[in-house]
Amino acid sequence: QQQVKQSPQSLIVQKGGISIINCAYENTAFDYFPWYQQFPGKGPALLIAIRPDVSEKKEGRFTISFNKSAKQFSLHIMDSQPGDSATYFCAATFGAQKLVFGQGTRLTINP
Amino acid sequence: DVKVTQSSRYLVKRTGEKVFLECVQDMDHENMFWYRQDPGLGLRLIYFSYDVKMKEKGDIPEGYSVSREKKERFSLILESASTNQTSMYLCASRGSTGHHEQYFGPGTRLTVT
Repeated sequence: QQQVKQSPQSLIVQKGGISIINCAYENTAFDYFPWYQQFPGKGPALLIAIRPDVSEKKEGRFTISFNKSAKQFSLHIMDSQPGDSATYFCAATFGAQKLVFGQGTRLTINP
Repeated sequence: DVKVTQSSRYLVKRTGEKVFLECVQDMDHENMFWYRQDPGLGLRLIYFSYDVKMKEKGDIPEGYSVSREKKERFSLILESASTNQTSMYLCASRGSTGHHEQYFGPGTRLTVT
């Protein structure tokens, strides 16, 4: 019940395309869903986050879509750029306790 | 600027050695975390600490221990390193309740031979 399942494991997108990464969870007590971005040689850094009382959050080219009934959320990267090539992790938590991370998606944007 | 530093970027140790990984944060954060990162498994929580001298087991604590004697420093200890502990180790810190964002260090790539 504590798991967050992320897919795909790897993704290749052409420059200018839309990158979509999906996550699913079981624990309905989760109340905060962040996405972290990790570049090679660096630690993960918070990219964008959403709470379950909204269905969508947008920050620039990055959008989280949240489906509470399906217990799924996804990250959309519009107009994907080579600089977006990184590993992305979804995560979930409740009560600001420990984060439960997905398995990660290695995204490659081809120029 | 927020900063979490880890004592080593790369470390090579022999099976059976005692290994210390150090993490320091300069944000006066109460909460600190140790994760290991393995391909296809994401980040898995080893231990975390919500205050000085306090610690709680995460999801995979076996073979590890931790120490937090000062607020800014959180150490991960491998009592007797084994080859299956070869991994990337990430330290993170987070502020008090209500602040969700975790700040990560750059990681330590540990190889046990």
